[in-house]
Amino acid sequence: DTGVSQNPRHKITKRGQNVTFRCDPISEHNRLYWYRQTLGQGPEFLTYFQNEAQLEKSRLLSDRFSAERPKGSFSTLEIQRTEQGDSAMYLCASSSGTGGRDQPQHFGDGTRLSIL
Amino acid sequence: GNSVTQMEGPVTLSEEAFLTINCTYTATGYPSLFWYVQYPGEGLQLLLKATKADDKGSNKGFEATYRKETTSFHLEKGSVQVSDSAVYFCALISGAGSYQLTFGKGTKLSVIP
Repeated sequence: DTGVSQNPRHKITKRGQNVTFRCDPISEHNRLYWYRQTLGQGPEFLTYFQNEAQLEKSRLLSDRFSAERPKGSFSTLEIQRTEQGDSAMYLCASSSGTGGRDQPQHFGDGTRLSIL
Repeated sequence: GNSVTQMEGPVTLSEEAFLTINCTYTATGYPSLFWYVQYPGEGLQLLLKATKADDKGSNKGFEATYRKETTSFHLEKGSVQVSDSAVYFCALISGAGSYQLTFGKGTKLSVIP
């Protein structure tokens, strides 16, 4: 169990640029989640995949945000035309496909996005 | 919609003191309840959970009981240690077919020797 891996750890970009983050889940986990966390707040849900299917999306996920998990393994989260308000920590989590929603979600260390 | 309210922090306690972190929730249906913890420099990890009313979750000396009548899931520990210093998040999953965790804002605990 190597844990959930996220890259890069920190991304600094200018407003208006596009950014892409990558998440590699724990290898046997078929469920993958994206959350966003701002300072002093708890994580907020963005989206959830079971294998390659995107099954839940938050209304927080505006049309500038897109997430993919093309082969049911790693996932990418892209933000187009970044805005100041996109500055946050982006967290990825994964969980086992057995046992339903009570299975613990294992979180990565996150990608911190800073918009200049 | 779903929401979680936690007591405001930060909380500072002396070693061996009793800890309570209050958590109340609003949810549709019958939620599953969780406490997650984030130690300094580490990612979020599950501390304990309870999936139905009157269940008690426990781990590492921490306990929380699912109270449906008061919609609460308070975290307790009888004797805290310096190593318990962390941010604690109460969370829930609710709604048919949903796997979405809804978190509280977190409570920072500092334990001093």
